[in-house]
Amino acid sequence: DVVMTQTPPSLSVAIGQSVSISCKSSQSLVYSDGKTYLHWLLQSPGQSPKLLIYQVSNLGSGVPDRFSGTGSQKDFTLKISRVEAEDLGVYYCVQATHFPNTFGAGTKLELK
Amino acid sequence: QVQLQQSGAELAKPGSSVKISCKASGYTFTSYYISWIKQTTGQGLEYIGYINTGSGGTNYNEKFKGKATLTVDKSSSTAFMQLSSLTPDDSAVYYCARSKLFLDYWGQGVMVTVSS
Repeated sequence: DVVMTQTPPSLSVAIGQSVSISCKSSQSLVYSDGKTYLHWLLQSPGQSPKLLIYQVSNLGSGVPDRFSGTGSQKDFTLKISRVEAEDLGVYYCVQATHFPNTFGAGTKLELK
Repeated sequence: QVQLQQSGAELAKPGSSVKISCKASGYTFTSYYISWIKQTTGQGLEYIGYINTGSGGTNYNEKFKGKATLTVDKSSSTAFMQLSSLTPDDSAVYYCARSKLFLDYWGQGVMVTVSS
C-alpha cells in the first residue's frame, strides 16, 4: 500500500496566522489518466471528516479560499492563510490513485 | 442537500457479527459509489472498500477481505456493511462516504464496541 507521511503531527497557531502542512507519498500519485488523486480532509472535533481539497488544488464545496493546495508527484502541501477558529481540528491527506485509498496520520491544528 | 445517515452505535460480543447501514439522500444514489472507512486512535483512518451502488460490485482492501461484506439496497438508497467474527481489534468508528473520484460526503459514523 502507498504510505502517506504527514508533517508536522501537530501545529499550535494564533488566529490570523498562516500555516502549511506537508504530505509525502511513497509512490507517485499520478494516475494513468494524467490526473493526481491527492485530497485533503478536515475532521473538526467530534465531527466526521469533511472534504477540503480534491485533486491537489481544487476547493471542495463551500470551502473558503483561505485554503489552498499545491504539489505534484509525491510531494504535496496544504496552506491555510489567516487561520480562523473554525479551522481547528485534524487535517488528513488521502490518496486515491492506488487501491486501496490510504490516509496520512493527520496533523492536529490547535490554538496557541 | 446530500446526506448519509448511518445507524446507531453497536455493542457486540467477540465472535458475533454486526450489520451497519448508511442511508443516502439528496442525490441520485446509483450515480456514486459508497466507500467504508474505519477510524481508530491507534491505526488512524483505514479504507475498507467500496460498493458500486448500481451494479452491486465490490472492491475490498486486502486487509478487510473476510471481515467486511458490503451490500446495497437500491430501492431504499441504503448501503450496508456487515462485520463478522468480531474481535476487540474491530472496535472502532466506521464511516460510510459517497465516492467517485474522492470521498466528498461522509456519514456521521457508527461506533462499534466489541467486548464480552
